[in-house]
Amino acid sequence: QSALTQPASVSGSPGQSITISCTGSSSDIGSYNLVSWYQQHPGKAPKLMIYEVSKRPSGVSDRFSGSRSGSTASLTISGLQAEDETDYYCCSYAGNSILVFGGGTKLTVL
Amino acid sequence: QLQLQESGPGLVKTSETLSLTCSVSGVSISSSGYYWGWIRQPPGRGLEWIGSISYSGSTYYNPSLKSRVMMSLDTSKNHFSLKLSSATAADTAVYYCARLTVAVVPATCDYWGQGTLVTVS
Repeated sequence: QSALTQPASVSGSPGQSITISCTGSSSDIGSYNLVSWYQQHPGKAPKLMIYEVSKRPSGVSDRFSGSRSGSTASLTISGLQAEDETDYYCCSYAGNSILVFGGGTKLTVL
Repeated sequence: QLQLQESGPGLVKTSETLSLTCSVSGVSISSSGYYWGWIRQPPGRGLEWIGSISYSGSTYYNPSLKSRVMMSLDTSKNHFSLKLSSATAADTAVYYCARLTVAVVPATCDYWGQGTLVTVS
């Protein structure tokens, strides 16, 4: 299976909202409501931010939200803060207990 | 509290087998409802799913790595392992182990180890 497609970088000013897209196919995102999003600070392990498209784990700020339309999933961060500046990865179930990740997006807070 | 910890050689010779273990504390790896997985990240690059193993030992591998990968469980030690044969420089990466939650299928990595860098040279 092919990696999901994410923009290499996005940016926004403090307080603004940004959206990171994640494009897959009918074999993964398009077929399952099983997209997750991970935040990864440099030198650290990824942290789960969103699962099953739009659910937030306990402890994750409600500034983070997720959605899906067709074969594209999106992560929206509202009220952008300096601490949000880092890398974000999407991941989708692709059938037969297989997972596929996106290439990652670097978020810059201006 | 659930914790995962990767261990294994930090340096592997080209063509040899890369072997890592993930020790789990806080939950039994044979508990139903969870799978256990390996994900890697080459330096400066993105995440790549390597494979998963169920609480009963069923395995699922990335098709691109399937011919070289083997995963196993050791319930007596509460750890699971990864073996990647015929290693090359392209396998140099930080290797993470993770727990996968199963809603209907294993799709979410909710807990991760800290990662371990393996260099193939």
